[in-house]
Amino acid sequence: TQLLEQSPQFLSIQEGENLTVYCNSSSVFSSLQWYRQEPGEGPVLLVTVVTGGEVKKLKRLTFQFGDARKDSSLHITAAQPGDTGLYLCAGEDDKLIFGTGTRLQVFP
Amino acid sequence: NAGVTQTPKFQVLKTGQSMTLQCAQDMNHEYMSWYRQDPGMGLRLIHYSVGAGITDQGEVPNGYNVSRSTTEDFPLRLLSAAPSQTSVYFCASSYSTGVRGPGSYGYTFGSGTRLTVV
Repeated sequence: TQLLEQSPQFLSIQEGENLTVYCNSSSVFSSLQWYRQEPGEGPVLLVTVVTGGEVKKLKRLTFQFGDARKDSSLHITAAQPGDTGLYLCAGEDDKLIFGTGTRLQVFP
Repeated sequence: NAGVTQTPKFQVLKTGQSMTLQCAQDMNHEYMSWYRQDPGMGLRLIHYSVGAGITDQGEVPNGYNVSRSTTEDFPLRLLSAAPSQTSVYFCASSYSTGVRGPGSYGYTFGSGTRLTVV
């Protein structure tokens, strides 16, 4: 069974701080996605990365896919309370496998 | 533009009862899947379908059946509910081509069905 491990599991920070969430696996994925989920809702796609070493930016969010396509990171610059939520990475081989998630709380 | 619609939003079942969770999408997506989300375990794949008439098992298929008679609908059936099936269930859909898998396009999720089995 493929495993995607996310770290940290929980992150509680003040508004304006920077943070990085990691997503690691021993398996190679053809693509990797990041989702954000709010309470009572389904995950919402933030980004998809498909090429090893790829870096994508979405406003204050920077996503990187590892060169070997086994790992990824999400960096948030100057976090805001609106960034609060559950962040999930998901890797695709023949199926989409999700990590266990990082719960982020940003306090004003 | 409805996207992925799941019904019901909430359901309470007694042990041994059966029920069907409905999922419909209006985006003409070939790929559809069902996940369950439990605290501390992320989302786990139950069943998936790459097109009408084709289904396959995911990580945790036991106790669940699916069928895909149309592109739009992908119902999930619980045959005999057990307390271990208490969870939040999500349906998701995506494009898929012969060259690029559904992950390359991203998945659209429904808002979930919260199921409690007592």
